[in-house]
Amino acid sequence: DAKTTQPPSMDCAEGRAANLPCNHSTISGNEYVYWYRQIHSQGPQYIIHGLKNNETNEMASLIITEDRKSSTLILPHATLRDTAVYYCIVSSRGSQGNLIFGKGTKLSVKP
Amino acid sequence: EAQVTQNPRYLITVTGKKLTVTCSQNMNHEYMSWYRQDPGLGLRQIYYSMNVEVTDKGDVPEGYKVSRKEKRNFPLILESPSPNQTSLYFCASSGRRQGQNEAFFGQGTRLTVV
Repeated sequence: DAKTTQPPSMDCAEGRAANLPCNHSTISGNEYVYWYRQIHSQGPQYIIHGLKNNETNEMASLIITEDRKSSTLILPHATLRDTAVYYCIVSSRGSQGNLIFGKGTKLSVKP
Repeated sequence: EAQVTQNPRYLITVTGKKLTVTCSQNMNHEYMSWYRQDPGLGLRQIYYSMNVEVTDKGDVPEGYKVSRKEKRNFPLILESPSPNQTSLYFCASSGRRQGQNEAFFGQGTRLTVV
């Protein structure tokens, strides 16, 4: 599976949009981009995934560049409860049960 | 409610005393896996199972055993625990059918080996 690169930490003001970038320049054609988050020491939680089109659900939006070498997770109105480590993972369909986690981005939402 | 259940949540044990951490899922998922999480090292996969009786080593399998005799259960066995296995452990499951895109994680088991 392709590797990903994320900034180690980011800050965001409460109520503002949080934009978390991820580089995955070696992604192959059948690989999806998955985002998970881990709040404190709880189990990671699925947020969203996409292949090449932008995706939106009740939690977040995922913007994938046309060349698919990078993506951005957007939390439109961050709250204090969104403070967590966010993981960007690239994995092929059918391997979503074999997720390889990187270090992720520690997002701190501040009042 | 869809869930992955790990037991125990907390465990303190002594070096060399065999222990088992249980993991059970109620979603009829094919895939199950175990991770350990240590400060500065992130989440690392220990073992992985694609289905009943099929298991594969992850990145850090040494000192661990698993079994997948039934679809819903995937216990993690430490035959002779050592202090370097002190860690936070997570079990996860996911399905392979169309539309099953997310992995579900248990709440974690914090193990201390003294």
